[in-house]
Amino acid sequence: GEDVEQSLFLSVREGDSSVINCTYTDSSSTYLYWYKQEPGAGLQLLTYIFSNMDMKQDQRLTVLLNKKDKHLSLRIADTQTGDSAIYFCAEILTGNQFYFGTGTSLTVIP
Amino acid sequence: NAGVTQTPKFQVLKTGQSMTLQCAQDMNHEYMSWYRQDPGMGLRLIHYSVGAGITDQGEVPNGYNVSRSTTEDFPLRLLSAAPSQTSVYFCASSLGGDGYTFGSGTRLTVV
Repeated sequence: GEDVEQSLFLSVREGDSSVINCTYTDSSSTYLYWYKQEPGAGLQLLTYIFSNMDMKQDQRLTVLLNKKDKHLSLRIADTQTGDSAIYFCAEILTGNQFYFGTGTSLTVIP
Repeated sequence: NAGVTQTPKFQVLKTGQSMTLQCAQDMNHEYMSWYRQDPGMGLRLIHYSVGAGITDQGEVPNGYNVSRSTTEDFPLRLLSAAPSQTSVYFCASSLGGDGYTFGSGTRLTVV
């Protein structure tokens, strides 16, 4: 499979911004995704970006894509305790196969 | 719409037993996949399907079989359970580039 890499842990204080980073391997990926997983639950699609875009903003979420470096980031503004979860980036390959990163566990400190 | 429904939610098996994890979606999605989630390893693709009658292997297919006789259903069969198959299993479906919708998962323990 493809290696999609993320750091495992991130802690931020409530009200600060969180930045979760991801590097992917396949430059032909047409879409890149961010998913959120709360404890004991499945994965919830947060947002996605088409590969010809550099940035996408959706309320408190900002996605940045650097295709040259194959780097994707998710910024969460004004992070709240309800944002504590595991965040996965994913790339889509031929045949609609998704490959996920290892996930970043975000802890928000009140 | 119920979305993606997985059953059972929890299962304990003895080594060597076989079982089928059920997955059904009511969104008329062509693409369906099975993943397993293990601590520190993210989600790994087991098998996937791009439409009824078509299946293919993902990263970690050994010990698992799938079939896709209808658009709605994509069952995952464990042929002879092993402790290494203790994991959380997720089924997901998609129309295409708009991302996968996930089921709530099946937590499987093999003793």
